[in-house]
Amino acid sequence: GENVEQHPSTLSVQEGDSAVIKCTYSDSASNYFPWYKQELGKRPQLIIDIRSNVGEKKDQRIAVTLNKTAKHFSLHITETQPEDSAVYFCAASPHGDTGRRALTFGSGTRLQVQP
Amino acid sequence: DTEVTQTPKHLVMGMTNKKSLKCEQHMGHRAMYWYKQKAKKPPELMFVYSYEKLSINESVPSRFSPECPNSSLLNLHLHALQPEDSALYLCASSQTKGPYEQYFGPGTRLTVT
Repeated sequence: GENVEQHPSTLSVQEGDSAVIKCTYSDSASNYFPWYKQELGKRPQLIIDIRSNVGEKKDQRIAVTLNKTAKHFSLHITETQPEDSAVYFCAASPHGDTGRRALTFGSGTRLQVQP
Repeated sequence: DTEVTQTPKHLVMGMTNKKSLKCEQHMGHRAMYWYKQKAKKPPELMFVYSYEKLSINESVPSRFSPECPNSSLLNLHLHALQPEDSALYLCASSQTKGPYEQYFGPGTRLTVT
């Protein structure tokens, strides 16, 4: 099955700095890579995703890059703000019928943005 | 409406109790999922339903029994749970074709005493 590794486990940055979180995956059949933000006591919220036919995707201060050859993908947050503080999870999922679309999550990164 | 709802928000049950968790979505999604999340850990997949049929069971103990009575509802029946089953139980839904996004409900925080 799929195995997703995520680094770092904790990340502390100053407000306004950039933050980068990296993930690697093992299953070459995976072709959908979402990132979720989870605040304490709340549900995971999808913040951005990328499919394997795309190398980079941006949405305002957030960007995700994918290197299929190396099987790794990264989340980039620019101009960080205190409200970006949360746990971020990467995930991977194979294409195909729903029965194989289950998400495998990375272990999570606790991001703290210091004001 | 892009919301998945779950009830109850909190549940405390003894090891001999029988209880059920409920999940509902009205986005027309035909895939629904149960995940279990322990503190400071990522969500772990338990079950996947596709078109109201169970398509994945991640070797979950039989004390957890899922049910999908219709395309909008997903239940998780609990019986004879152990204290280590205490966790946040998350429901999610997605389309079966096209966009892959999974939308999560707020979860039920379960404590087994």
